[in-house]
Amino acid sequence: QKEVEQNSGPLSVPEGAIASLNCTYSDRGSQSFFWYRQYSGKSPELIMSIYSNGDKEDGRFTAQLNKASQYVSLLIRDSQPSDSATYLCAVPQEYGNKLVFGAGTILRVKS
Amino acid sequence: GAVVSQHPSRVICKSGTSVKIECRSLDFQATTMFWYRQFPKQSLMLMATSNEGSKATYEQGVEKDKFLINHASLTLSTLTVTSAHPEDSSFYICSARVAGSTYNEQFFGPGTRLTVL
Repeated sequence: QKEVEQNSGPLSVPEGAIASLNCTYSDRGSQSFFWYRQYSGKSPELIMSIYSNGDKEDGRFTAQLNKASQYVSLLIRDSQPSDSATYLCAVPQEYGNKLVFGAGTILRVKS
Repeated sequence: GAVVSQHPSRVICKSGTSVKIECRSLDFQATTMFWYRQFPKQSLMLMATSNEGSKATYEQGVEKDKFLINHASLTLSTLTVTSAHPEDSSFYICSARVAGSTYNEQFFGPGTRLTVL
């Protein structure tokens, strides 16, 4: 059974700062990694996917993957109060297509 | 692209009645859809995996006779909560995996909030 671990937070950052969210996973064979954002009372929204070692940038978001360390992170630059949400790290199970989710990190951006 | 809809968004029903929730992939085909439940301030809990044209696979502890799932087409899956009781009140969310996707990303619907009186 794959495991995905995240610090539950809350992580508090001031507006305009960089928020750094971290995730570790247990299965060394994992090939794809996802970050979802979930606002309170809403469903998760896929914001980043990463499959190769290194960085992937999309606007203010950068996902970083280090397969050797089994570590994936999400950086949010110029954090805004609207970024305040729970961020879920997810890794597909090897068989059956199910996603294994971390518990999520609560991010609070203070203006 | 990759839009998933759910209907209804909110439903209130009396105890003992059945409620059907629809999940549709609007701009892609989904051979696999997933049904989750989420209680306030808790994590997503996968209830079942729905495969087009076959029986759903339920997670341990989820009653298949209470939560009926039908995935009759590549764009539609339904969840029916039968004989609903107040403890079934929750936020039900579906997700869909793009048919033929290599990386298994899932796109979530907006969710259905069920309140059983």
